[in-house]
Amino acid sequence: DQQVKQNSPSLSVQEGRISILNCDYTNSMFDYFLWYKKYPAEGPTFLISISSIKDKNEDGRFTVFLNKSAKHLSLHIVPSQPGDSAVYFCAASAIQGAQKLVFGQGTRLTINP
Amino acid sequence: EAGVAQSPRYKIIEKRQSVAFWCNPISGHATLYWYQQILGQGPKLLIQFQNNGVVDDSQLPKDRFSAERLKGVDSTLKIQPAKLEDSAVYLCASSYTLGGVNEQFFGPGTRLTVL
Repeated sequence: DQQVKQNSPSLSVQEGRISILNCDYTNSMFDYFLWYKKYPAEGPTFLISISSIKDKNEDGRFTVFLNKSAKHLSLHIVPSQPGDSAVYFCAASAIQGAQKLVFGQGTRLTINP
Repeated sequence: EAGVAQSPRYKIIEKRQSVAFWCNPISGHATLYWYQQILGQGPKLLIQFQNNGVVDDSQLPKDRFSAERLKGVDSTLKIQPAKLEDSAVYLCASSYTLGGVNEQFFGPGTRLTVL
């Protein structure tokens, strides 16, 4: 049972344009969502997060949007840069109790010059 | 600040052999996690420690996998005997506290290949 889904295995975007990565979840108990970025041969690194009490969180070029009714979140990167080329994982957690993260399958983002 | 350390980085074994992975979390981080990441999938939590106690091991295949965190610092994850489907990257992560939601810091992982 895949509780967090990233339906696009890959995405290719031109440098300077906007990258939009999508994530859907099924468990209504999730109330905290995170995006991680992963380069080859490295562990995932935290990028940005959002609590379910918000619908938007922005950090520099990165913005995460949450639509609770649709159980959908998205990560916007603008403008996209070559260094943004990586695999992006969406993760979800329930704040109450242990901090168990449930990850999506990941989306490989390629930024083309 | 030093990050999460893991060793070895790569390991190749034959099925039915045993293997062990080591993790040293960020200093002061009470919570330690072991994840399994199979190619093409996201990380899946195997076990979570708070200090040296187990918080969640519901997805750990206990017939072959074991983990310990002696003295609440370093941790080892063992597989005995290994199966072909255990081929994956094993990621260790740590975070400051259990309460609330804190960013988890990941190590570089150990890539295991079972032949």
